Amino acid sequence: SAVISQKPSRDICQRGTSLTIQCQVDSQVTMMFWYRQQPGQSLTLIATANQGSEATYESGFVIDKFPISRPNLTFSTLTVSNMSPEDSSIYLCSVTPQGAGYGYTFGSGTRLTVV
Amino acid sequence: AQSVTQLGSHVSVSEGALVLLRCNYSSSVPPYLFWYVQYPNQGLQLLLKYTSAATLVKGINGFEAEFKKSETSFHLTKPSAHMSDAAEYFCAVSDRGGTASKLTFGTGTRLQVTL
Repeated sequence: SAVISQKPSRDICQRGTSLTIQCQVDSQVTMMFWYRQQPGQSLTLIATANQGSEATYESGFVIDKFPISRPNLTFSTLTVSNMSPEDSSIYLCSVTPQGAGYGYTFGSGTRLTVV
Repeated sequence: AQSVTQLGSHVSVSEGALVLLRCNYSSSVPPYLFWYVQYPNQGLQLLLKYTSAATLVKGINGFEAEFKKSETSFHLTKPSAHMSDAAEYFCAVSDRGGTASKLTFGTGTRLQVTL
């Protein structure tokens, strides 16, 4: 199965600033998925990133707040822009290199605290 | 759209007792179903997945789940709970697509194991 390296693992940021999270996969994948896990909550899909096109955002998430880049088939970044304390969450990326039936691999997550 | 419902946000069992975590799904087409575990301050780990005709699925750490189409359920069980099983458990669903299939999570069930 794929291995994902996600950075940073955690950060404490000032409100109004932005943080860019990186995910590097050890194999080429068509899609990369970005999730948010708010404190004590489940995982919510933010967007799906396909190389060579704009990311597709889920309801409630917008590109201005969560811009995503996907420059190649092994790498993606998620930026959390103009942060507020409500953005304090764990952010995770995920891939399913061989298709859903083979399972999904998740990065270790970025624990973001906004003060 | 597909969804899963996890009944019971908190479940408490005694060590050695049966663990039963409930998950019901909603899908217009036969789905893939997954159970993930998240230990405190750790990432997601796949326990097991249902992707084929075998309705009883065995996973890691002694867990198993049975897919019941007539009940639209995929409950997770373990005959004898260990203290190390204390964690958050997530049921998730995806369609039977390829690498672009999105994974949708339930709200999670926190399992507490007492002496």
